[in-house]
Amino acid sequence: NAGVTQTPKFRVLKTGQSMTLLCAQDMNHEYMYWYRQDPGMGLRLIHYSVGEGTTAKGEVPDGYNVSRLKKQNFLLGLESAAPSQTSVYFCASSYGMLDGYTFGSGTRLTVV
Amino acid sequence: KNEVEQSPQNLTAQEGEFITINCSYSVGISALHWLQQHPGGGIVSLFMLSSGKKKHGRLIATINIQEKHSSLHITASHPRDSAVYICAVRLNGNQFYFGTGTSLTVIP
Repeated sequence: NAGVTQTPKFRVLKTGQSMTLLCAQDMNHEYMYWYRQDPGMGLRLIHYSVGEGTTAKGEVPDGYNVSRLKKQNFLLGLESAAPSQTSVYFCASSYGMLDGYTFGSGTRLTVV
Repeated sequence: KNEVEQSPQNLTAQEGEFITINCSYSVGISALHWLQQHPGGGIVSLFMLSSGKKKHGRLIATINIQEKHSSLHITASHPRDSAVYICAVRLNGNQFYFGTGTSLTVIP
């Protein structure tokens, strides 16, 4: 089915470990986004991309890096995980800036 | 900082009731986004609007730019409408700022 696929769905990391979250979309969307969702807070934008080869910082970019080498994929990296990065991460994509978003199913990350 | 305020935080309704969820913001915006988050966590985009009113099935979204306010209405509510409804606003640039959501429970 067409949509946004996030992998993995769950992960437990030890403090200091690194990992990469993968987001893949097959809708030819230009825009892709990484959000984190924490209890009692709204979704917060980490990084986003307006097209292949581009990335930009969002509201809470510190501790994360991203890459968009191919239009369909948007990778989120944690170089040295910290307990403060325990969260649910959502990837989303959209065709244009003011088009509706399609969200992935989320990745629940726990850093111990 | 809270660019977006939603009310109520929690709402319980009987099946069939007309439901209104409110979203207020404090500065000028270029677009407003309504989303639905299912109990399992999945998020669905409902409406993107910058003026007027949009309708899809039993859902209606309105926005009043002058009053900096938007409402999401659900007609003939059903238990499957139970979810968290999230409002987000786009200020300048490419970012949306999200509210904390309104948790809706519709009782049969």
